[in-house]
Amino acid sequence: DIVMTQSPDSLAVSLGERATINCRSSQSVFSSSNNKNYLAWYQQKPGQPPKLLIHWASTRESGVPDRFSGSGSGSDFTLTITSLQAEDVAVYYCQQYYSSPPWTFGQGTKVELK
Amino acid sequence: DVQLVESGGGLVRPGESLRLSCAASRFTFSDYTMSWVRQAPGKGLEWVSFISSSSDYIYYADSVNGRFTISRDNAETSVYLQMNSLRAEDTALYYCVRGGLGFSYSAFDMWGQGTVVTVSS
Repeated sequence: DIVMTQSPDSLAVSLGERATINCRSSQSVFSSSNNKNYLAWYQQKPGQPPKLLIHWASTRESGVPDRFSGSGSGSDFTLTITSLQAEDVAVYYCQQYYSSPPWTFGQGTKVELK
Repeated sequence: DVQLVESGGGLVRPGESLRLSCAASRFTFSDYTMSWVRQAPGKGLEWVSFISSSSDYIYYADSVNGRFTISRDNAETSVYLQMNSLRAEDTALYYCVRGGLGFSYSAFDMWGQGTVVTVSS
């Protein structure tokens, strides 16, 4: 199984500052057949289901603010929130959906206000 | 808006069974893959099971393989999870989620609110 490891487990960021979350997979989730990374990012606020923010490592879902961006390829990925807003306080998960299941999630990164 | 509504959760004893349902609306259900994802109290997300649009491809996590059965009824626009031989470690909030088209592998772009399953004696 592909193991997803996020860092850090939590971080405190001031309003308007940048938040950076890293995600590493135990094997590459890049497919050379279609030139895509099978990597998604989700946001989960307390008491709510997760919400898809980014798929294919860097494609923002419709309606997601452009302060959220994804980058990386192969086994190393980053979610960046530029200019953190109060409503961005949440737990963020990366997930790989490469090849046959099981599809696995990172352990989550909790973003709080400093 | 696309909607997924789960039902069927509850409190059961170890070894008992439960059947979860997920009613989908406002999209062409028969075109999409569906999965179940669970979240134990205070924990992260765990993918549980997948079913392709025509039920041709079905997968399970090792932790539930042989005990859980996923199915769907495209005419009823619903997906189900039959859970047998339940264990305490199956206690979680179970989400119904939408994947990609056909049998493609894709991120989960729609999530229901979830239904709670508690396994305890």
